[in-house]
Parts: sequence; C-alpha cells; structure tokens
Amino acid sequence: DAKTTQPNSMESNEEEPVHLPCNHSTISGTDYIHWYRQLPSQGPEYVIHGLTSNVNNRMASLAIAEDRKSSTLILHRATLRDAAVYYCILRDQLSNSGYALNFGKGTSLLVTP
Amino acid sequence: DARVTQTPRDKVTEMGQEVTMRCQPILGHNTVFWYRQTMMQGLELLAYFRNRAPLDDSGMPKDRFSAEMPDATLATLKIQPSEPRDSAVYFCASGLGDRGNTEAFFGQGTRLTVV
Repeated sequence: DAKTTQPNSMESNEEEPVHLPCNHSTISGTDYIHWYRQLPSQGPEYVIHGLTSNVNNRMASLAIAEDRKSSTLILHRATLRDAAVYYCILRDQLSNSGYALNFGKGTSLLVTP
Repeated sequence: DARVTQTPRDKVTEMGQEVTMRCQPILGHNTVFWYRQTMMQGLELLAYFRNRAPLDDSGMPKDRFSAEMPDATLATLKIQPSEPRDSAVYFCASGLGDRGNTEAFFGQGTRLTVV
C-alpha cells in the first residue's frame, strides 16, 4: 500500500484558514487521495477526495500537487467544531479485490478561540 | 438522513463472556467494514465485506472473533470469549462500492469494556 505522511499535530486560530499537508511520494497513478476526519467521541467522517485536479466541496478544498506526491486539505475558516484528527488516505481506483481504507495516525488539529 | 447504526453504543462485560455487536449499514450500500480503535493502535481494519461476502478478515484474531452478514441489513461482530485486551471502540462503516472514488460512512461506534 502506498503510504502517507502527516504532521502529528497542528494548531490554528478560529476563523483563520488552515492548511493540512500530506505527503504521498509513492502514490500510484490510480490512487485517489481521500481525507477523513474524526471529531472527539465520533466515528470518522468523509471530508473530500480527488485524483489529479483540485476539488472543492462545502466542507473543504483539496489542493493536489502537479506531481501528485503531496496534497493539502484547506479549511477556509476554521471553527471550534473543526477540531479533530484529520486522516489522509490513498485509495486504489482499480483494485478488483476491493480496497479498504487504511488509517494512519493522522493530524490532530487544535483550534483556539 | 441516512446513517450507519451500531448497537449497543456501550457495553461492559466480564472476561470470558460472549459479546455481539451489531451494525445496520445504509440501505443500498454493498460494502461493510469493521474497525477497532484503541489509543495505542489507532484505527485497525478487522473485516471487510462486499455483497455480504467476506473479502478480508486478516486483521481479526481468528480464534475468538467472527464477523458475519446474515442479510444485507445486518452485520455482526462477535467476540467469544472476550478478554480485557479487546476493550476498544468498534466502528462499522458502509459504502456503495469500494473503489477509489467512493466514500465510506461510519457509525458512532460501540465502546466495549471487558473487565
């Protein structure tokens, strides 16, 4: 499995943008980049995913480097509710046997008022 | 609002007892995952079903754990006999497909404490 590397923790002020980095230098051409987050005492929650182009949805934006070896999850205005562990995960597009989400340690985001 | 439902939410049991955790996937979803989360190990995949057939249960201790899908609306995870080291939060997730461009939806988890 291609591996991802994330900082253990990051801190942000409320109402400021947050850029969460993820390195995936061994990514294959068929891997999608997924982001999930886990709020305290909750199950993981899907945030966004992409393949090559940058993606936007109501929760966040995903910026993917041109060589796809890194990506950045962007929260445009952090709120206290965004304090969570954020996981960057690669998921194979073409696996015929299925491909479960393999969670690493993620980045623990602290948002301060 | 469709969601994955897990029962019970909390379970305290004595060592040696059988524990059954249940999961109702989102209607129409054909993939189901079981994960276990502890502080030390993080989120670990235990089992993985597609169209009710087990695809991967290599993460599951075979001697005491079993996972089944009796029908498309119910997935179960059993531990028999339970041990204190099984104390963890167990999450079920479901999805429509399991390829790279699909998302998984997680339940709220079952917090298991074995004393």
